[in-house]
Amino acid sequence: KQEVTQIPAALSVPEGENLVLNCSFTDSAIYNLQWFRQDPGKGLTSLLLIQSSQREQTSGRLNASLDKSSGRSTLYIAASQPGDSATYLCAVPKAAGNKLTFGGGTRVLVKP
Amino acid sequence: SAVISQKPSRDICQRGTSLTIQCQVDSQVTMMFWYRQQPGQSLTLIATANQGSEATYESGFVIDKFPISRPNLTFSTLTVSNMSPEDSSIYLCSVGGQGAYNEQFFGPGTRLTVL
Repeated sequence: KQEVTQIPAALSVPEGENLVLNCSFTDSAIYNLQWFRQDPGKGLTSLLLIQSSQREQTSGRLNASLDKSSGRSTLYIAASQPGDSATYLCAVPKAAGNKLTFGGGTRVLVKP
Repeated sequence: SAVISQKPSRDICQRGTSLTIQCQVDSQVTMMFWYRQQPGQSLTLIATANQGSEATYESGFVIDKFPISRPNLTFSTLTVSNMSPEDSSIYLCSVGGQGAYNEQFFGPGTRLTVL
């Protein structure tokens, strides 16, 4: 059974600092890995999807890496801003378009 | 990307009553899912909504408590039956396998409080 873990559970940084969020998974047979953002009481916004054959994916200030063999992904957010304050979740499906297994999330606070 | 809407966005209900949540997608999709997010927790899959057949429920979730309908490829409902305060959660629908990279998208969620 796939298990997904995110460490740390919470993170507080001053504005401008780079953010490093970690995600680990126990079963390396993943189809892809998605990173989501969730604002309090809201739904999920997809940030990045990284295919199992990729090692890295970038979108603006966001960069996600994937190391399938070690069961790890890292989300980097450069030059953090107060608007980046949210909970970040990673999730993996067993197959294309299939149900997701989520990590517990990392709650991020960027202080002005 | 698929655009997903949910109704209602939030509700406050009395214990023992039922609430039906609607999920509408702007395009036909094969895979639709319902998730629950209890306060301070991550998301847990309730069931896969199958078009034209009964939903597939995850361990710990049963049809009597969470009946699901999927009458077509753009719409689904989740009912939370005989509610108790423990059912207070955000309920989210999602669609799978979108676009070239099989990305999954989520609706805005329904925030349910049971008194």
